[in-house]
Amino acid sequence: EAGVVQSPRYKIIEKKQPVAFWCNPISGHNTLYWYLQNLGQGPELLIRYENEEAVDDSQLPKDRFSAERLKGVDSTLKIQPAELGDSAVYLCASSYRNKEQYFGPGTRLTVT
Amino acid sequence: GDSVTQMEGPVTLSEEAFLTINCTYTATGYPSLFWYVQYPGEGLQLLLKATKADDKGSNKGFEATYRKETTSFHLEKGSVQVSDSAVYFCALSLIQGAQKLVFGQGTRLTINP
Repeated sequence: EAGVVQSPRYKIIEKKQPVAFWCNPISGHNTLYWYLQNLGQGPELLIRYENEEAVDDSQLPKDRFSAERLKGVDSTLKIQPAELGDSAVYLCASSYRNKEQYFGPGTRLTVT
Repeated sequence: GDSVTQMEGPVTLSEEAFLTINCTYTATGYPSLFWYVQYPGEGLQLLLKATKADDKGSNKGFEATYRKETTSFHLEKGSVQVSDSAVYFCALSLIQGAQKLVFGQGTRLTINP
């Protein structure tokens, strides 16, 4: 069974530029999560999708972050414009019916 | 709010040593508790879990017991191996299953041969 796929694995951009991360969850998993992991910290939930619906986006900074999950499968997380403080690892996870979350390897973003 | 506190790292041990990584939590309800492991270059993997008081989760020689009276879920292993070197995260969830995880800050473990 293929795991959660994320791309790119690494991204370096200048501040004020836009950036997008892509996630392909495990086939059949209806729930998809985006997490932010700062250096030396645990992951923090940004947004959770149940199929196409964002059911928990309370921690997503909506002034610059946006996310979508068209057709309830793949998802994209976007930052526009990026700030220096956005440098972190962005993790995607998926699960089936409230069961175990499976995490992707993450995208490491560096904003210069 | 709900939170998880782990012992400060990094932790360095010799092979075959006994491991304890402390984890305590604060929660408004009755959480499920988890330990995740993150190997270099990989995503987090569920190591073990416990859903009610006095439950013991175990996997790969690791174990942790849900202690409601001390709000703790300490991770232990009797004899560590070099391959156990990783970052370990304690987490809780107050929603059934693992829907909304709150993580501790992680503890980096290095095992020397």
